[in-house]
Amino acid sequence: RKEVEQDPGPFNVPEGATVAFNCTYSNSASQSFFWYRQDCRKEPKLLMSVYSSGNEDGRFTAQLNRASQYISLLIRDSKLSDSATYLCVVNANAGNMLTFGGGTRLMVKP
Amino acid sequence: DTGVSQDPRHKITKRGQNVTFRCDPISEHNRLYWYRQTLGQGPEFLTYFQNEAQLEKSRLLSDRFSAERPKGSFSTLEIQRTEQGDSAMYLCASILRLAGNNQETQYFGPGTRLLVL
Repeated sequence: RKEVEQDPGPFNVPEGATVAFNCTYSNSASQSFFWYRQDCRKEPKLLMSVYSSGNEDGRFTAQLNRASQYISLLIRDSKLSDSATYLCVVNANAGNMLTFGGGTRLMVKP
Repeated sequence: DTGVSQDPRHKITKRGQNVTFRCDPISEHNRLYWYRQTLGQGPEFLTYFQNEAQLEKSRLLSDRFSAERPKGSFSTLEIQRTEQGDSAMYLCASILRLAGNNQETQYFGPGTRLLVL
């Protein structure tokens, strides 16, 4: 079983739709959590950190449930430019080595 | 450009050849990470340095792989006797690690895409 699991998708949604991605992680000692975005043939870039209380950044909302070891990302009012792969990322140690999920591919269509 | 840079961006080699990649982190960053990403997968951790010290190596880093960061600035990743299974994107990331903080953003370089024929 992978340490961080995501539905690979693709999620095909129309512009303006709301879409949610989920992620589960297996290491209960995980300390910090992130969503990264990766465009085709590019490097991953931090989208947002995920905090226990949940956090929002514009159209993006991230939630963390430590008891269920579950992380979510909600995108409201999808834009064409949101089309990318979204990587769920967990940091479980003092070395800050990141453990990535396999990514969920989102395609927003006109 | 003050971000993480990697060189070369692309490398095609024949099986059995040695290759070396370079990463230049953001200048004040003290930690440098190497990851490998294959098609359709997320990046996987390979190794990291705190200044010039290599502190952790993944089991993915076989004996054919070696990484260095001799002066605590740039780093090199060498793969000896390349195999077709080494074909992947090799990503470098850096952070400024401060004591007691594990929420720092890792900044990734553009990656080196390796194809072993």
